[in-house]
Amino acid sequence: EAQVTQNPRYLITVTGKKLTVTCSQNMNHEYMSWYRQDPGLGLRQIYYSMNVEVTDKGDVPEGYKVSRKEKRNFPLILESPSPNQTSLYFCAILGLGNEQFFGPGTRLTVL
Amino acid sequence: KQEVTQIPAALSVPEGENLVLNCSFTDSAIYNLQWFRQDPGKGLTSLLLIQSSQREQTSGRLNASLDKSSGRSTLYIAASQPGDSATYLCAVEYGRDDKIIFGKGTRLHILP
Repeated sequence: EAQVTQNPRYLITVTGKKLTVTCSQNMNHEYMSWYRQDPGLGLRQIYYSMNVEVTDKGDVPEGYKVSRKEKRNFPLILESPSPNQTSLYFCAILGLGNEQFFGPGTRLTVL
Repeated sequence: KQEVTQIPAALSVPEGENLVLNCSFTDSAIYNLQWFRQDPGKGLTSLLLIQSSQREQTSGRLNASLDKSSGRSTLYIAASQPGDSATYLCAVEYGRDDKIIFGKGTRLHILP
């Protein structure tokens, strides 16, 4: 079964301090993506990747970076976090048949 | 603009009733549509995936239908139970640009 792991699960940081949230998968799937979930706004796609070295912007990419140097990992990078990036973040993959599987989520607070 | 809408935003029904959750999308050129449930503070669990060529999918007490021409999908839950209480989300994948767009969800509460 497809498994998606994220680390850390919880993070409190301060404005401007660079951070990385890791995402890894165990099934060698090509498509990976990052979402943020906010009350009243639902889940919004930040970035997605169709394969190694291929990344594309989703609906809300501002303030975020991603990299896809290898198939199993897709880290989300906040170079200079701001309070409006306080959110619940999910990493997801597309498995066989294009069914999405989600990681457990990372709750980020930026003070 | 591609949008996905779920109405109602919240729903309470007595245990045992059958119910229908709605999902509508503005751009009918979808690749597939997926229904999820999310429990408070938890991640998303996949319920059903409908490919664009399919009309419905069933899993246990759940049945999801898809009508591309009208831009609608429904999730039917039979004989509802308190354990069905959760937020239900639909997500549409568009093949032309591989974007995935979520509705804001319907928060379902089954009354014991």
